[in-house]
Amino acid sequence: GNSVTQMEGPVTLSEEAFLTINCTYTATGYPSLFWYVQYPGEGLQLLLKATKADDKGSNKGFEATYRKETTSFHLEKGSVQVSDSAVYFCALSRGGADGLTFGKGTHLIIQP
Amino acid sequence: EAGVVQSPRYKIIEKKQPVAFWCNPISGHNTLYWYLQNLGQGPELLIRYENEEAVDDSQLPKDRFSAERLKGVDSTLKIQPAELGDSAVYLCASRGGNEQFFGPGTRLTVL
Repeated sequence: GNSVTQMEGPVTLSEEAFLTINCTYTATGYPSLFWYVQYPGEGLQLLLKATKADDKGSNKGFEATYRKETTSFHLEKGSVQVSDSAVYFCALSRGGADGLTFGKGTHLIIQP
Repeated sequence: EAGVVQSPRYKIIEKKQPVAFWCNPISGHNTLYWYLQNLGQGPELLIRYENEEAVDDSQLPKDRFSAERLKGVDSTLKIQPAELGDSAVYLCASRGGNEQFFGPGTRLTVL
């Protein structure tokens, strides 16, 4: 079946540091890949997505590239801010209206 | 535009009691999902509706869980009877433009 594995947290960084959160997946076919973010006290929000191999999703300074050869979709940001502190979830979908398969989430803490 | 609305936001019940959660999706969204999120875990799909039809309920524990979406808009998820292990956050989402939009969730505590 489908599964998503992402690095466990919490990940603690200083402001302006470089961020990488690793995500790998197992799926048949060609899934779509997503990063969702959950800020404290708020619901899940879509951060970025990629629907085919070599696509790069980007939003709010975050980027992730769909790497089919390594079945990965790592999240990166060049300079994090305190406001980026949140829980980040990697997810996949087989496509269409199928439900999402999520990783366990990575808690990111940015210190000033 | 209003987002996905869920109620109640919090619910505390004793084990063996019934409980129901309500979801109102974004207007015009035909696809509705219920997810279960245990503490420290990612959400897991329970059921997906296309209008009023449940098209994927393979992960719904049907011995105690039930769901309905009678008019293809609002949906209700019910647990009867609740067990201690059902303590979790229950998320509702609706789909529009190839994106799923999530509600704030209902946090259930079973004592």
